[in-house]
Amino acid sequence: DTEVTQTPKHLVMGMTNKKSLKCEQHMGHRAMYWYKQKAKKPPELMFVYSYEKLSINESVPSRFSPECPNSSLLNLHLHALQPEDSALYLCASSEQGLGMIAFFGQGTRLTVV
Amino acid sequence: RKEVEQDPGPFNVPEGATVAFNCTYSNSASQSFFWYRQDCRKEPKLLMSVYSSGNEDGRFTAQLNRASQYISLLIRDSKLSDSATYLCVVNLIVLEYGNKLVFGAGTILRVKS
Repeated sequence: DTEVTQTPKHLVMGMTNKKSLKCEQHMGHRAMYWYKQKAKKPPELMFVYSYEKLSINESVPSRFSPECPNSSLLNLHLHALQPEDSALYLCASSEQGLGMIAFFGQGTRLTVV
Repeated sequence: RKEVEQDPGPFNVPEGATVAFNCTYSNSASQSFFWYRQDCRKEPKLLMSVYSSGNEDGRFTAQLNRASQYISLLIRDSKLSDSATYLCVVNLIVLEYGNKLVFGAGTILRVKS
């Protein structure tokens, strides 16, 4: 099983809403990632969790709040987003270390209205 | 200077053509290297890892030159189904923080009949 599952696939939310994106993997990977991808741009790293601890935060605004409840799950809590936050949010997981290969979920396409 | 640079293209080629993509990276501490493929509105998927010794998978050949900090991908006998965006990806391992995958902007390939 080399699958990373993300839910929901699509999400429309208002600027005052609170919502969460979910990501799950059962490959035993100990690194999990959130990426944001705007149209016609490459994925941009937001957060890295390593052994369930937040290890990299790429200066992401606090309206995005990641959470790693256990080694298989990764959440991204959203609050007070702006329309410019509309994007494809990709979760990935990998083993640690040299030569690791990252597997991506299908993404959540988020629209902020 | 961007951490990973690619020619965005698009490369428009006929079926059966050979096409080559290049990528350069700026951080000499980068540890591992990959080519991912991304279809429109889909998640990135691993095409192949890249090694200094070069590696080949069917019609695809990847090469790494660490001295020049340069990565290449060669596609022979192009198929219509090869049309996609090809992302050069560099893994910068930050020891205490884990892996940090950095994406190039992507090169668009369009194969035409």
